[in-house]
Amino acid sequence: EAQVTQNPRYLITVTGKKLTVTCSQNMNHEYMSWYRQDPGLGLRQIYYSMNVEVTDKGDVPEGYKVSRKEKRNFPLILESPSPNQTSLYFCASSLDWGLMNTEAFFGQGTRLTVV
Amino acid sequence: QQQVKQSPQSLIVQKGGISIINCAYENTAFDYFPWYQQFPGKGPALLIAIRPDVSEKKEGRFTISFNKSAKQFSLHIMDSQPGDSATYFCAASRDGSARQLTFGSGTQLTVLP
Repeated sequence: EAQVTQNPRYLITVTGKKLTVTCSQNMNHEYMSWYRQDPGLGLRQIYYSMNVEVTDKGDVPEGYKVSRKEKRNFPLILESPSPNQTSLYFCASSLDWGLMNTEAFFGQGTRLTVV
Repeated sequence: QQQVKQSPQSLIVQKGGISIINCAYENTAFDYFPWYQQFPGKGPALLIAIRPDVSEKKEGRFTISFNKSAKQFSLHIMDSQPGDSATYFCAASRDGSARQLTFGSGTQLTVLP
């Protein structure tokens, strides 16, 4: 089954404790990205990657890091989480070949609470 | 400042009725306008999308109407069903693709049986 898998689904952590949210896709997609979803703000892009070792900032990158060492994986790293990073996070992937990149496939989300 | 403004925030419709969700954008560089549907506990999923060279696109009970001069687009759900109850997001991007989507704030639709 084609899917984007995020782990963990739920996470409660304390301020300053480094954490990683993993994301893996099995569709051989070149393009992957991270979004955060907050009430009244919709989804906002944090970082994206157009292929292995190619990453760039989205609209709200502060406080986050990413890496893309393999095509299928795109982890989101919070080096020193703060309460304002409490949010629902989504990883997405899409085929990025020619004009075919028209649908982003989203994972099921990771609800992060930073206390 | 939100680049894509969506309304209403919530919508309650009777079964069989028409649901209408509106979005407006400022950036004239946007050239791809998808709608995503999200059920509780799930990630968003593409519902329907339109490019600015057409004014309307229909897929089953779902229709996008696009007004380039007014910089507005809307989603119409005909014969709304309880199974359509979900959160709907409009979005826009600048390069005709799903790479860097700018989302609206979402509309929670409830269809009453």
